[in-house]
Amino acid sequence: NAGVMQNPRHLVRRRGQEARLRCSPMKGHSHVYWYRQLPEEGLKFMVYLQKENIIDESGMPKERFSAEFPKEGPSILRIQQVVRGDSAAYFCASSPLRDRANGYTFGSGTRLTVV
Amino acid sequence: DQQVKQNSPSLSVQEGRISILNCDYTNSMFDYFLWYKKYPAEGPTFLISISSIKDKNEDGRFTVFLNKSAKHLSLHIVPSQPGDSAVYFCAARRTQGGSEKLVFGKGTKLTVNP
Repeated sequence: NAGVMQNPRHLVRRRGQEARLRCSPMKGHSHVYWYRQLPEEGLKFMVYLQKENIIDESGMPKERFSAEFPKEGPSILRIQQVVRGDSAAYFCASSPLRDRANGYTFGSGTRLTVV
Repeated sequence: DQQVKQNSPSLSVQEGRISILNCDYTNSMFDYFLWYKKYPAEGPTFLISISSIKDKNEDGRFTVFLNKSAKHLSLHIVPSQPGDSAVYFCAARRTQGGSEKLVFGKGTKLTVNP
């Protein structure tokens, strides 16, 4: 039973390019969360999705960032026209239920570097 | 506005002794508090949680204490082992409407010396 799979593990993009980060939740999990960790910071919530629905995107920057979790396939976090400040580790977590008091399962993250 | 604070960036203890990691929060609406352990280049791993209506939860070597009046929680690791060396994040869960999210502290790097 594979855990939460994120790819790529490392991604380098030039300023102005697009970055696509993928997250495959654990089998049977229908809730996906994206968090971002800047250097020397804790993780910050970005977006919460269920299959085909965005539940809460209050942590997403207003421009250039979008997320989806289609009926089939992985969840995608898309960053258009990347800037240096987007360089960070992006973590995806999944859970089978919304009310999960014993924590979500996190993936290993995608480390985005914008040059 | 940092709602979850871990004021100690680092902590060093001897193997076999107790490690105490502290966390303060400001928002009374948090309903669960969680501790995660993180190794470099890996994702956070869930350790232990506590409901806001409890004051203690224990799981093996790990115990979390919650002092709601002081808005303070702590993680105790007894006895500490070198494999416990990692960054520990305190997180608080906020459930609002149809959503839930975790608010993380900045982490405390624990080093357990053999």
